[in-house]
Amino acid sequence: QSALTQPASVSGSPGQSITISCTGTSSDVGSYDLVSWYQHHPDRAPKLILYENTKRPSGVSSRFSGSKSGNTASLTISGLQADDEADYHCCSYAGSDTYHVFGGGTKVTVL
Amino acid sequence: EGQLVESGGGLVMPGGSLRLSCGASGFDFNYAWMAWVRQAPGKGLEWVGRIKRRSDGGTADYAAAVKGRFTISRDDSRNMLYLQMDSLKADDTALYFCAHYGGREYFRDWGQGTLVIVSS
Repeated sequence: QSALTQPASVSGSPGQSITISCTGTSSDVGSYDLVSWYQHHPDRAPKLILYENTKRPSGVSSRFSGSKSGNTASLTISGLQADDEADYHCCSYAGSDTYHVFGGGTKVTVL
Repeated sequence: EGQLVESGGGLVMPGGSLRLSCGASGFDFNYAWMAWVRQAPGKGLEWVGRIKRRSDGGTADYAAAVKGRFTISRDDSRNMLYLQMDSLKADDTALYFCAHYGGREYFRDWGQGTLVIVSS
């Protein structure tokens, strides 16, 4: 069982918005503004899409946005596109004993 | 953008050893903090461990599940990262990714992974 809780799957139609939640504890998500999100298409390298809760690396579409409240972080994908169909993983820093914890991943399906 | 290529995966018996390698390019490896992350079949990602750059001490940190069995090392002259895995268990079966840290506790670049299967 993963340390962070994500829904196993989320789906939406092209053009719609979807939100993926990532729930941790006061020892990880709740303690640090260090949640990152990764997009992973099968047989490809995972790709960083958000870091430090809300920041987008250069080259990542503004359709990806993040937020955090308490022990829960969220990733929103707006204007859903076919290529957004992938697995999405959240990760939080968890201090100098555990270091990093991940969620179980969410499979996004574009209907 | 950095490029990372893992190699060395394969089938190994329980109790056996395996060494994974990761070749890096496209960034200054000498200044990079590097990590290994794995994904067991049907599961989420799991952080395995990391190694700091030499100027920060070059030390490694490990997840509790692998501490004492796995060793991370680096060869800055070759832009290579390694993961020595000993006393392997069935639970270590996973796709192993090499990753390059960004500024603060996130992973900027990833490889495509190399598959390790621990089975008799």
